[in-house]
Amino acid sequence: KQEVTQIPAALSVPEGENLVLNCSFTDSAIYNLQWFRQDPGKGLTSLLLIQSSQREQTSGRLNASLDKSSGRSTLYIAASQPGDSATYLCAVEGGSEKLVFGKGTKLTVNP
Amino acid sequence: EAQVTQNPRYLITVTGKKLTVTCSQNMNHEYMSWYRQDPGLGLRQIYYSMNVEVTDKGDVPEGYKVSRKEKRNFPLILESPSPNQTSLYFCASSPWGQAWTQYFGPGTRLTVL
Repeated sequence: KQEVTQIPAALSVPEGENLVLNCSFTDSAIYNLQWFRQDPGKGLTSLLLIQSSQREQTSGRLNASLDKSSGRSTLYIAASQPGDSATYLCAVEGGSEKLVFGKGTKLTVNP
Repeated sequence: EAQVTQNPRYLITVTGKKLTVTCSQNMNHEYMSWYRQDPGLGLRQIYYSMNVEVTDKGDVPEGYKVSRKEKRNFPLILESPSPNQTSLYFCASSPWGQAWTQYFGPGTRLTVL
């Protein structure tokens, strides 16, 4: 059974800092990995999708990498801003249209 | 506008009183799914549907029912809610074979007293 772990569970940084969020998964047989953002009481917004054949994806200040063989992904956020404060979720798709989510990293960026 | 809608957004109810949370999508998606989100446990899939009249259990189906009589709607039914079903519920939809494009609804916060 696929399990997804995110470390750390919470992170507080000063504005402007570069930071890395980590995601690991137990079964490397995945189709893709996705990073989501969730604001308090709100739904999920997809940030980046990495297909299993890809190594990384970039969108603005966000960069996500995937090492399928080691079961790891990182989300790099450059020059963090208070508006980046949210919970970040990692999810993998392993077949049967099912997404398996990690528990998330709650990020707080302090002005 | 492409969207997934859920109703109600907030609900407080009492143990044993049957309730239905509706989910509707306007994108003609085949695949629909229900998740619950709990602190410390993350998002867990309750039920999913691959098309009309085709549904299957996810990871935590106990205490829930679903139906898929129309392609656009996928209601979640709690026949006899209990306090351990207090949670934040999300509905999602996607075209078949494209789970990575799942659109999520805004969520329904349910409290069972």
